Amino acid sequence: QVQLQESGPGLVKPSETLSLTCTVSGGSISSYYWTWIRQPPGKGLEWIGFIHYSGSTNYNPSFKSRVTISGDTSKNQLSLKLTSVTAADTAMYYCARDSGIDFPFGYWGQGTLVTVSP
Amino acid sequence: SYELTQPPSVSVSPGQTARITCSGDALPKHSANWNQQKPGQAPVLVIYKDNERPSGIPERFSGSTSGTTVTLTISGVQAEDEADYYCQSVDSSGTYVVFGGGTKLTVL
Repeated sequence: QVQLQESGPGLVKPSETLSLTCTVSGGSISSYYWTWIRQPPGKGLEWIGFIHYSGSTNYNPSFKSRVTISGDTSKNQLSLKLTSVTAADTAMYYCARDSGIDFPFGYWGQGTLVTVSP
Repeated sequence: SYELTQPPSVSVSPGQTARITCSGDALPKHSANWNQQKPGQAPVLVIYKDNERPSGIPERFSGSTSGTTVTLTISGVQAEDEADYYCQSVDSSGTYVVFGGGTKLTVL
């Protein structure tokens, strides 16, 4: 059974870089698409971007200039970096794995809350 | 940018049928998926490829599609079905993932 676990600082200062890691167990990141999704408090889900096992990436245009998603196959981890954060980036951040065409997300991590505050 | 439109809320009594719609111009070309999210929990996939049910999801959950609208139907709603439901698909190019704004299902 594939399991995903997000980790990283729960508090980030404005203008700094948010860095999160998603550790995958029960399966290899050398297959499928691996995605980051976020949810501001009390709001809906927002797709950030994904990395394909081939190494190719695609990002939500809303984040394109600030976001980088990468993978480390040796550690079976993917990471998210979001630069120049503001209070609007305060959210629960989830990693997820697709399960087929048009990206049904059959596997989700439990999420990690990141607060942007001085 | 591409959008998926859902009603903000739907209310039903226990045992009744709940229908939640999701509209988007690219839905005739790309399939839709539905995620259930209960308070304080990560989302769970309940329908994929418009009408397929993942293993472990009760049969009362079903999906359908008609033109630019997809519908999640919950038959015989139970109290435990009270949650937020998000449709999800991709834009016309198949490049970008999009979520609907979410629908809060209230079981009266």
